[in-house]
Amino acid sequence: NAGVMQNPRHLVRRRGQEARLRCSPMKGHSHVYWYRQLPEEGLKFMVYLQKENIIDESGMPKERFSAEFPKEGPSILRIQQVVRGDSAAYFCASSPLEVSGVYNEQFFGPGTRLTVL
Amino acid sequence: DQQVKQNSPSLSVQEGRISILNCDYTNSMFDYFLWYKKYPAEGPTFLISISSIKDKNEDGRFTVFLNKSAKHLSLHIVPSQPGDSAVYFCAASPDTDKLIFGTGTRLQVFP
Repeated sequence: NAGVMQNPRHLVRRRGQEARLRCSPMKGHSHVYWYRQLPEEGLKFMVYLQKENIIDESGMPKERFSAEFPKEGPSILRIQQVVRGDSAAYFCASSPLEVSGVYNEQFFGPGTRLTVL
Repeated sequence: DQQVKQNSPSLSVQEGRISILNCDYTNSMFDYFLWYKKYPAEGPTFLISISSIKDKNEDGRFTVFLNKSAKHLSLHIVPSQPGDSAVYFCAASPDTDKLIFGTGTRLQVFP
């Protein structure tokens, strides 16, 4: 039973380019979360998605960032026109189907380290 | 606005002794708390959790204590082992859709 998979593990982009980060949740998990970790900081929530739906994007920057979780395929976090401040580790987590009133543990992937030159 | 705070960036403990990692939070609406462990170049790994209706949860060498009146929780590791050396993140969940993380405490267990 494979864990959460993220690719690429490392991504280098020049300022102004686009970055696409992929996340495949654990088998049987229908909830995906994206977090960002800046150097020397904790993880910050960005967005929560279910298949074909964005449930909570309160942590997403208003511009240049978007996320999707299509019916087929991995979840994608897309950053357009990257800037140096976007350099960070981006972690994806997944959890199983939500049961009302029960907290479902989030399982994290290994992260994608984005470096913007 | 840091809702979850880990005020000690690092902690050094001798092998066999107890490690105590602390975490404070500001939002009394948090109903679930978790500790994650993170090694370099890896994602966080779930360690232990506690619901706000409890004040203690134990799993092997790991025990989490919750003091709701003080808005404080702590993770006790006893006995500490060199393999416990990692960064530990405290996290809180106000609902089922996100985790709010502290800044982490780097634990080093030396022989």
